[in-house]
Amino acid sequence: GAVVSQHPSWVICKSGTSVKIECRSLDFQATTMFWYRQFPKQSLMLMATSNEGSKATYEQGVEKDKFLINHASLTLSTLTVTSAHPEDSSFYICSARQGTEAFFGQGTRLTVV
Amino acid sequence: GENVEQHPSTLSVQEGDSAVIKCTYSDSASNYFPWYKQELGKRPQLIIDIRSNVGEKKDQRIAVTLNKTAKHFSLHITETQPEDSAVYFCAASISNFGNEKLTFGTGTRLTIIP
Repeated sequence: GAVVSQHPSWVICKSGTSVKIECRSLDFQATTMFWYRQFPKQSLMLMATSNEGSKATYEQGVEKDKFLINHASLTLSTLTVTSAHPEDSSFYICSARQGTEAFFGQGTRLTVV
Repeated sequence: GENVEQHPSTLSVQEGDSAVIKCTYSDSASNYFPWYKQELGKRPQLIIDIRSNVGEKKDQRIAVTLNKTAKHFSLHITETQPEDSAVYFCAASISNFGNEKLTFGTGTRLTIIP
């Protein structure tokens, strides 16, 4: 199957700093990528849909100025958590669909201290 | 928007027995229903999916059934094995195409008791 690579796998940052997470489709082009947040023992909550060459579409309740998404190429989308706070600590995971199937990155565990 | 409910949240079965997980969806326009397995600390992996023009699909020990009228679909795992222990998520989408989002259920933690 297709491969989606996410980097970094884990990151620890100080409160107030920003963190960038990359999501790459390695062997296919993805005009659309999806960013999810997953709390421990909970489901995948869609944060936003990343669209190549245009603005991301954010789900209700997600602050677009806090979670900046850039999809500058057909194989790369980035999520930047700005001015991170401890409550932003979570597992962030991206996804891209090739045909019907959705492929996921390995996820990024963000810890804000 | 679409809302997907999943039950049960936890399920324990004896090795060799069957496990059934059920999901309901709200948007009658949804026409693609995948199931994902997520092991601890790993990414979700597709295990089976079904489209709205099919009522049942089977792949070895795994099967999915779909009732469009009732807007519910189920995952059936037979002859369960310890490696089936994981969290399972159902999902729904209004399109088969890559630019449509998946809405996930809340997940079921399946534990297989040896």
